[in-house]
Amino acid sequence: DIQMTQSPSSLSASVGDRVTITCRASQGISNSLAWYRQKPGKAPKLLLYAASTLESGVPSRFSGSGSGTDFTLTISSLQPEDFATYYCQQYYNTPPITFGQGTRLEIK
Amino acid sequence: EVQVVESGGDLVQPGGSLRLSCAASTFTFSSYSMNWVRQAPGKGLEWVSYISARGSTIYYADSVKGRFTISRDNAKNSLYLQMHSLRAEDTAVYYCASEGNWGSYFNYWGQGTPVTVSS
Repeated sequence: DIQMTQSPSSLSASVGDRVTITCRASQGISNSLAWYRQKPGKAPKLLLYAASTLESGVPSRFSGSGSGTDFTLTISSLQPEDFATYYCQQYYNTPPITFGQGTRLEIK
Repeated sequence: EVQVVESGGDLVQPGGSLRLSCAASTFTFSSYSMNWVRQAPGKGLEWVSYISARGSTIYYADSVKGRFTISRDNAKNSLYLQMHSLRAEDTAVYYCASEGNWGSYFNYWGQGTPVTVSS
C-alpha cells in the first residue's frame, strides 16, 4: 500500500497569510493526487485533482504542484473559511485508495 | 446541484449488522463509480469500499473485507453498504462519495451517516 504523509500536522496562520502544506507519497504516484478541505462537522470538499487541476468552483487562491512523490498545496491569501483540516489522497495505485493523516490549519 | 444523501446509521451492538444507503440525484448516477469512506471520531479519512458504474468491479479495504458488502441499484440511483460482524473500531461517520471523470478522486460527497458500535 502507498503511504501518504502530510506536513505539518498542524499550523497557525492569520487571515491574508500565504500557507503551504506538503504531502509525500511512499512511492511514485505520477500526478494522481487530490486535495480536500474539511470543515468541522462537514463532509470533505474536493479542491484539486491531478495534483494541480482546480475543481470547478474552487477559488483561485488554491493551487497545487508536484509529481512523483512530493506535492504541495498552497493557499495564497487565507480567508476565514479556510481554517479547516486539509487532506491529500493518492489514486495512482488502487486499491487501496489512501489519504494523508491531515493538516489542521488554525487561526493565529 | 448534485445531491448525495446517506441514511441508515445507528447505534448497534458489537457483532451486529447494519445496512447503509446512499441516494443520489441530479447527476447520471449509473455512469459513475461510487465509494464509501469513513471517519472515526477525531480521526482522518479511511477509504472503505469501491464499486464500478455497472457494479462489475468491487474492492474493499482489508479492515472490512469479508464483513462488508457494497452494492448499487442504478434504477433507483442508490448505493448500499451491508455491514456484518461490526466491531468497536467500525465506529465512524460513513460517507458516500462519487468518483471524478479523470480518476479515483471524490468530487461529490454526502453529509455522512454516523455508525456507533457499542454495548
